[in-house]
Amino acid sequence: DIQMTQFPSSLSASVGDRVTITCRTSRSISNFLNWYQQKPGKAPKLLIYSASSFQSGVPSRFSGSGSGTDFTLTISSMQPEDFATYYCQQRYTVPYTFGQGTKLDMK
Amino acid sequence: EVQLVESGGGLVQPGGSLRLSCAASGFIFSNFDVHWVRQVTGKGLEWVSSIANSYDTYYADSVKGRFTISRENEKSSAYLQMNSLTAGDTAVYFCARAGAAAVGYGSFDIWGQGTMVIVSS
Repeated sequence: DIQMTQFPSSLSASVGDRVTITCRTSRSISNFLNWYQQKPGKAPKLLIYSASSFQSGVPSRFSGSGSGTDFTLTISSMQPEDFATYYCQQRYTVPYTFGQGTKLDMK
Repeated sequence: EVQLVESGGGLVQPGGSLRLSCAASGFIFSNFDVHWVRQVTGKGLEWVSSIANSYDTYYADSVKGRFTISRENEKSSAYLQMNSLTAGDTAVYFCARAGAAAVGYGSFDIWGQGTMVIVSS
């Protein structure tokens, strides 16, 4: 199985801050990496697929980068609605695996 | 509106069985793969199983031999039959639509609201 290491596990930020979350995989997955946002009591929402492609309707302040084993999700300027938990996920091979999650809360 | 709605969750005793349903609407169900993903309260996401539009099926090792995924395209529905349940299966179970080719079949682009499964005596 491909192991996912996501960090930090939690992060305190303020509105307007630039935030970066990192995801590392145990072996190369090319660009087969997705990012999801989950708010409490809700289902996850796909934000970024194929490492850097925006899902429809996702604000441009979100961006993804990386390939191989190292990936990042960046929020260029935190907005109140962005405080949530974020997960990376590899779709390179079954079993699909997720990172442990990064909880963004307000400083 | 593109939508997935899960049902069938509940309280079941260890060793028992439960069948979850996922009803789709707003898109051509037969064209898409379907996944089940679960989440223990307060914890992360775990992929459970997938069924392709070709009816090929895939399972996490943790449920292989106990869970069976199926689909009925005529009813725009997918199912997860869960047998020999243990406390470790207690979680919210989400069904999710796989992305189209551009997004990736192993991506989860539409999610249901989830259904809670509690395994306890």
